[in-house]
Amino acid sequence: AQTVTQSQPEMSVQEAETVTLSCTYDTSESDYYLFWYKQPPSRQMILVIRQEAYKQQNATENRFSVNFQKAAKSFSLKISDSQLGDAAMYFCAYRSAEHSGGGADGLTFGKGTHLIIQP
Amino acid sequence: NAGVTQTPKFRILKIGQSMTLQCTQDMNHNYMYWYRQDPGMGLKLIYYSVGAGITDKGEVPNGYNVSRSTTEDFPLRLELAAPSQTSVYFCASKSRTSSSYEQYFGPGTRLTVT
Repeated sequence: AQTVTQSQPEMSVQEAETVTLSCTYDTSESDYYLFWYKQPPSRQMILVIRQEAYKQQNATENRFSVNFQKAAKSFSLKISDSQLGDAAMYFCAYRSAEHSGGGADGLTFGKGTHLIIQP
Repeated sequence: NAGVTQTPKFRILKIGQSMTLQCTQDMNHNYMYWYRQDPGMGLKLIYYSVGAGITDKGEVPNGYNVSRSTTEDFPLRLELAAPSQTSVYFCASKSRTSSSYEQYFGPGTRLTVT
């Protein structure tokens, strides 16, 4: 079974600064997807960014980018120019690309990192 | 489009009671999922469905049942509620097409069992 580990329960950053959230995962599969989800106090799960394991290029979405290190099984999220609206729980998630049943198409989540933005 | 809708938003149950959490999506997605989120934790997969009439267990299925009689609806049934089932429940859906990656989540149902 796959596992996802987020070692930082809480991170704090000054507004307009850059912050990096860590995520590591364990899998024996070679083809998979990785995601970062944002959960604000409203509880809504919002997809921030995704990465396909077969792509070497790191994904970027505006102020959000990832550092994907496949060999190290690491998938960190960098938020540039942090804004007050970025304050939320951030979850790293894994999904197998192999539709072999047994819940393989569902997401496996880490425990989350609470991001605080200091004004 | 309403996306994924869940009812109710909040519910308090007594131990031993039963209830059904409703989930509906209007995006014609084949895949649907139920997750639970315990305090301070990530989401865990309870059940999932790849199409009408097909369901399968996820990581934490005990104490729950599901059905999928239509593409749109995927209700989650709790029988004999227990305090351990106090959690926030999320329904999600995804297109079956290979180019689609994103699971769309509903707003969640906060359930308390006392």
